[in-house]
Amino acid sequence: DAGVIQSPRHEVTEMGQEVTLRCKPISGHNSLFWYRQTMMRGLELLIYFNNNVPIDDSGMPEDRFSAKMPNASFSTLKIQPSEPRDSAVYFCASSFEGVYGYTFGSGTRLTVV
Amino acid sequence: QQQVKQSPQSLIVQKGGISIINCAYENTAFDYFPWYQQFPGKGPALLIAIRPDVSEKKEGRFTISFNKSAKQFSLHIMDSQPGDSATYFCAAKTSYDKVIFGPGTSLSVIP
Repeated sequence: DAGVIQSPRHEVTEMGQEVTLRCKPISGHNSLFWYRQTMMRGLELLIYFNNNVPIDDSGMPEDRFSAKMPNASFSTLKIQPSEPRDSAVYFCASSFEGVYGYTFGSGTRLTVV
Repeated sequence: QQQVKQSPQSLIVQKGGISIINCAYENTAFDYFPWYQQFPGKGPALLIAIRPDVSEKKEGRFTISFNKSAKQFSLHIMDSQPGDSATYFCAAKTSYDKVIFGPGTSLSVIP
């Protein structure tokens, strides 16, 4: 298995632009998580899905953030409009019923200038 | 109540020494306690995990000690090696699969 695949690996965008981050979970996993990592705040859970349904989005910082999971093999995290304070590494992770923990992707490093 | 506390923030250990990282939680609903290891430029990777009905779990040089009554758990790395230099996160999972991470410990093992 190729693991959790995230794209792009790096994204540099100008303030005000729309940014879309993509994630392909491990086949067979039914839970998917989006995390944001910064030096100041560590690993923050933004949202998670179970069987493609959003279960908890209480970590989504603002209405500028939205996430979708149209099917079991794909999820997106969108920021519109982006701001410099959104600069961080965004990780996607997947698991099966929480068994054996999460498998994380390699992350997307987002820089908003 | 959802918070997981972790200390120290950073740790320097001689090669061959024992690295110890401590964590504490408050929510008694947590049912699974994993540790993750993260190298620069990579995502966190599951290292070892324990359930609250077990007091200790050992995998190779890595041991988790769990004290349910004190709501504390710790990671011990025996015979620490330079290749163990990474950031370590303790975490706790709720019954419906939500994992809360501690703030992390940056470990440096010096030769």
